[in-house]
Amino acid sequence: KAGVTQTPRYLIKTRGQQVTLSCSPISGHRSVSWYQQTPGQGLQFLFEYFSETQRNKGNFPGRFSGRQFSNSRSEMNVSTLELGDSALYLCASAGEVAYNEQFFGPGTRLTVL
Amino acid sequence: DQQVKQNSPSLSVQEGRISILNCDYTNSMFDYFLWYKKYPAEGPTFLISISSIKDKNEDGRFTVFLNKSAKHLSLHIVPSQPGDSAVYFCAANIQGAQKLVFGQGTRLTINP
Repeated sequence: KAGVTQTPRYLIKTRGQQVTLSCSPISGHRSVSWYQQTPGQGLQFLFEYFSETQRNKGNFPGRFSGRQFSNSRSEMNVSTLELGDSALYLCASAGEVAYNEQFFGPGTRLTVL
Repeated sequence: DQQVKQNSPSLSVQEGRISILNCDYTNSMFDYFLWYKKYPAEGPTFLISISSIKDKNEDGRFTVFLNKSAKHLSLHIVPSQPGDSAVYFCAANIQGAQKLVFGQGTRLTINP
């Protein structure tokens, strides 16, 4: 079974731009969560989608948004990028059998200049 | 407010010995706990988990212990191997919420 995939793996943007990151969950998984990892704040939860609906949300500003498609693939968008948005963005998926266990993708490394 | 804490940023252990990684939490609503292992530039890899209805879960060389009254969990790795060198994160969840709260991580180094 293929794991969680994320594209692109690396991205460089400038302040003020916007960016869209993509995540394909493990086949059969309908829950997709997004996390941000930075040296200062560690791993922080952004939001979670299930069946195209946002079920949970973390404490991030409205510049961070996401969506999920009918095939469970998910995208995350960050508008008006700031230097502090430079981070590793991780996507995780969970199935309905072992629904408490999330499996992570390799991440997208975003650098904002 | 850090709800999940790993107080040891690093730990060095001799190959073949036991590695013990610790984690404390403050939110009594957490009822499911997980350990992940992470290499640089990769996503976390799930290792082992435990529900709050148990106090121990074992999987091969990995055992997780949960002390609910102390709000403390630990991961034991026996015997430690060089490939175990990585950063280990504990995470807590409220079952079904899919909203993991992570500790800051402990860098484990296994010395030959």
